[in-house]
Amino acid sequence: RKEVEQDPGPFNVPEGATVAFNCTYSNSASQSFFWYRQDCRKEPKLLMSVYSSGNEDGRFTAQLNRASQYISLLIRDSKLSDSATYLCVVPRSGTYKYIFGTGTRLKVLA
Amino acid sequence: GAGVSQSPSNKVTEKGKDVELRCDPISGHTALYWYRQSLGQGLEFLIYFQGNSAPDKSGLPSDRFSAERTGGSVSTLTIQRTQQEDSAVYLCASSLSPGGYEQYFGPGTRLTVT
Repeated sequence: RKEVEQDPGPFNVPEGATVAFNCTYSNSASQSFFWYRQDCRKEPKLLMSVYSSGNEDGRFTAQLNRASQYISLLIRDSKLSDSATYLCVVPRSGTYKYIFGTGTRLKVLA
Repeated sequence: GAGVSQSPSNKVTEKGKDVELRCDPISGHTALYWYRQSLGQGLEFLIYFQGNSAPDKSGLPSDRFSAERTGGSVSTLTIQRTQQEDSAVYLCASSLSPGGYEQYFGPGTRLTVT
């Protein structure tokens, strides 16, 4: 099992829709989790950090389910500008390394 | 505040030449990482620096790759005798401290070896 797994997508959704992605992780000792957004040919940009049960920022909500070892990212009222790849990142517990998921592609359609 | 900066933003070089890529991390960030991303692929870890400690070079793909970090701040990634397979975007990231803190990425250097 990979340390961090994501559905690669693409998820094609109409503007205004609600969409959710999951990311599963294998290390039950993981304490912090991050969602990054990466646009085509650009660097990853930090979207949200999750240290406890979840986090919310405007239209974006991240939830952590420790029992099932996954984090989710929910985007409400999708905008065309939300089209990007969303990377799940989990620091490897007890080390300095960050483990990156392969990313989930989202396309919001007009 | 200022983010992570990298230079050059683009570099085209001939096969066999040496290149130097520069990264200036966020002030106060002790941890610095180099990654490589080929087109349509995920991030590949290259090297990690923490303060003045010896770097973890375990991700460097060959001995043509080297990196240094001077004064715990600016870092330089050097690729000697470049090959076409070195073509990729080289990303630098820094974090306040290793393990568990947010990483912030620079805009990357797009390297093309012809």
